Amino acid sequence: EVQLVESGGGLVQPGGSLRLSCAASGLTFGSLWMSWVRQAPGKGLEWVANIKEDGSETYLTDSLRGRFTISRDNAQNSLYLQMSSLRAEDTAVYYCATHHGFRFDYWGQGVLVTVSS
Amino acid sequence: QSALTQPASVSGSPGQSITISCTGTSSDIGGYNYVSWYQQHPGKAPKLILYEVSNRPSGISIRFSASKSGNTASLTISGLQAEDEADYYCCSYVNNGRHWLFGGGTKVTVL
Repeated sequence: EVQLVESGGGLVQPGGSLRLSCAASGLTFGSLWMSWVRQAPGKGLEWVANIKEDGSETYLTDSLRGRFTISRDNAQNSLYLQMSSLRAEDTAVYYCATHHGFRFDYWGQGVLVTVSS
Repeated sequence: QSALTQPASVSGSPGQSITISCTGTSSDIGGYNYVSWYQQHPGKAPKLILYEVSNRPSGISIRFSASKSGNTASLTISGLQAEDEADYYCCSYVNNGRHWLFGGGTKVTVL
């Protein structure tokens, strides 16, 4: 059974930093592109970033460039999202998701990040 | 880049069919057959229900179908059931370095 479990969320002050993790199991993690997708409270889905199987390529949505970084550790079957200079508008549930071809196959349960003073 | 355009809400009675549109541009929907659809129940993670325009993953009901014409993709739910009440999102690959664009979401209500 495929499982994606996000962690590392919580309350952070504006301007602060946070690192999200996604632990994967039940799949060949090192052979899959991975993504982060977020959802602000009561709002729609927004693709945040993705990373190639070996980590050699990463892509970030334009509005987050310079503040967020995606990375992975295939030896630990883990995906990460380093977030810095956080703003209130970054408050959202953050999901990790697998790519198989051109679709998001499996999703984690999500982790809530709240940016507030 | 702006989100793909979906109607905010669609409703139908049990047994009816409904269609949700998703409009983009030639840089996303119109340029690729990489449109996917996701169902999200309240408090749950999204779930893939259709990919590459009209393909269903294993275990997804044949009541869900989709198509694409030009810059617009469409999701049809046939034989509407109470369990279909959820939010639905379209998503497209974007001609901008492996970027992805979601629609704003459509709330489906079963009357």
